[in-house]
Amino acid sequence: NAGVTQTPKFRVLKTGQSMTLLCAQDMNHEYMYWYRQDPGMGLRLIHYSVGEGTTAKGEVPDGYNVSRLKKQNFLLGLESAAPSQTSVYFCASSPQGSSYNEQFFGPGTRLTVL
Amino acid sequence: GESVGLHLPTLSVQEGDNSIINCAYSNSASDYFIWYKQESGKGPQFIIDIRSNMDKRQGQRVTVLLNKTVKHLSLQIAATQPGDSAVYFCAENKGYDYKLSFGAGTTVTVRA
Repeated sequence: NAGVTQTPKFRVLKTGQSMTLLCAQDMNHEYMYWYRQDPGMGLRLIHYSVGEGTTAKGEVPDGYNVSRLKKQNFLLGLESAAPSQTSVYFCASSPQGSSYNEQFFGPGTRLTVL
Repeated sequence: GESVGLHLPTLSVQEGDNSIINCAYSNSASDYFIWYKQESGKGPQFIIDIRSNMDKRQGQRVTVLLNKTVKHLSLQIAATQPGDSAVYFCAENKGYDYKLSFGAGTTVTVRA
C-alpha cells in the first residue's frame, strides 16, 4: 500500500494563479483532511471530509475550495493564489469507526506564491 | 484559536536520557489528547493517545501523563535515541466534530 500520496511535491505560483493539489489514499479511509503548516504555528485545518461527496470547513478555509468526488481522492483548490498561502500543505486520512485520533499523513506539498 | 499549546518550542536532550515534552490545554471537555511526531521533511506520525478519563498511558518507550487538575499533559520518552530527533505536537479531540486541533510543536534535538 502506498498510504497517502500528494501531488505535486513542490510548486511555485504567481499571485492570482490557480492550482489544484491532489491527495489520494489507498486505505479505504472514510475521513480525509487538508492542513497547512507554517513556521511556529503547527498544523491548521483548512477543510475536511467525512465521506464521499461531503466536505466541511476547518479553521482557515478562506481562499480554498475542496472536492471529494471519489472516496480515495480529496482535492484542494486555490482559486486565486496569494503570498499568504505560501505554506506546506498536508493531506491526511483516518478510518471511520475509530476515534480518528490516528490520522495518516502524506509527505506534503511545498507551495510558494510570489 | 489554539486550545492546546506547548510550553517550550525547543528541547535539547543527551542521548540515553529521558525526554519530557509538555503541553497545556484549555478545553476541559476534550475527549482525547494525542501526540504526533514529525521528522524533518515528512508528514506527522501518530505516537500515542490518551482518553480524558485516564491519567496515564504507556506505549513502546513512551508514556503520556494527563493532569486534569492543572490541564496539563506530557510525553515522556525513555532512553532517548538519535531517531527521536523531531518536532512533537500535542493535539486534542473534542469528540464530536471529526477534527483534531494541534498545538505549535516542540523541536527535540538529541545530542550524541
